[in-house]
Amino acid sequence: DAGVIQSPRHEVTEMGQEVTLRCKPISGHDYLFWYRQTMMRGLELLIYFNNNVPIDDSGMPEDRFSAKMPNASFSTLKIQPSEPRDSAVYFCASSLGRIQETQYFGPGTRLLVL
Amino acid sequence: GNSVTQMEGPVTLSEEAFLTINCTYTATGYPSLFWYVQYPGEGLQLLLKATKADDKGSNKGFEATYRKETTSFHLEKGSVQVSDSAVYFCALSDTDSNYQLIWGAGTKLIIKP
Repeated sequence: DAGVIQSPRHEVTEMGQEVTLRCKPISGHDYLFWYRQTMMRGLELLIYFNNNVPIDDSGMPEDRFSAKMPNASFSTLKIQPSEPRDSAVYFCASSLGRIQETQYFGPGTRLLVL
Repeated sequence: GNSVTQMEGPVTLSEEAFLTINCTYTATGYPSLFWYVQYPGEGLQLLLKATKADDKGSNKGFEATYRKETTSFHLEKGSVQVSDSAVYFCALSDTDSNYQLIWGAGTKLIIKP
């Protein structure tokens, strides 16, 4: 079975550019989570969706960040404009049935903003 | 609010040594407790979990017991292997956090042959 799929795996961009990260959750999962991982701040929940609806976006750092889930099999996290401090590994995760159920993580997107 | 505290790493051990990674938590309700593992270059994956006091979670030779009296969920393994080298995250899920996972900072484990 395919796990959570994220693309791209690596992204290098220049400050001010738009960055779009993509995620395909496990088929049938109804929760989708976006996390950011840095050495300084550890693992942070940015936003999560239930049945394609954003439930809690309180972790989104600022208006430069936006996330969408147009259907059950696809989500995007967009940063516009990007800044060097956005450099991090971004993970997507999905789970089934209840928010407290096991989360299945994708391999992450390593973003470097120059 | 809810929180999770893990021992700082890195923890460096020789192969076949006994492992303990400490995790304590603060929660007002009755949380579920989790250990996730992150191997180099990969996403996190669930290692084990426990949903009520005195439950023991186990997987791949790792164990952790939910101790409500000491608010702890320490991870243990009797004999570690080089392949266990990874970052280990303790987490909790509780009503106070709307069941969102509250994560510890992670503990890096290095096993030397």
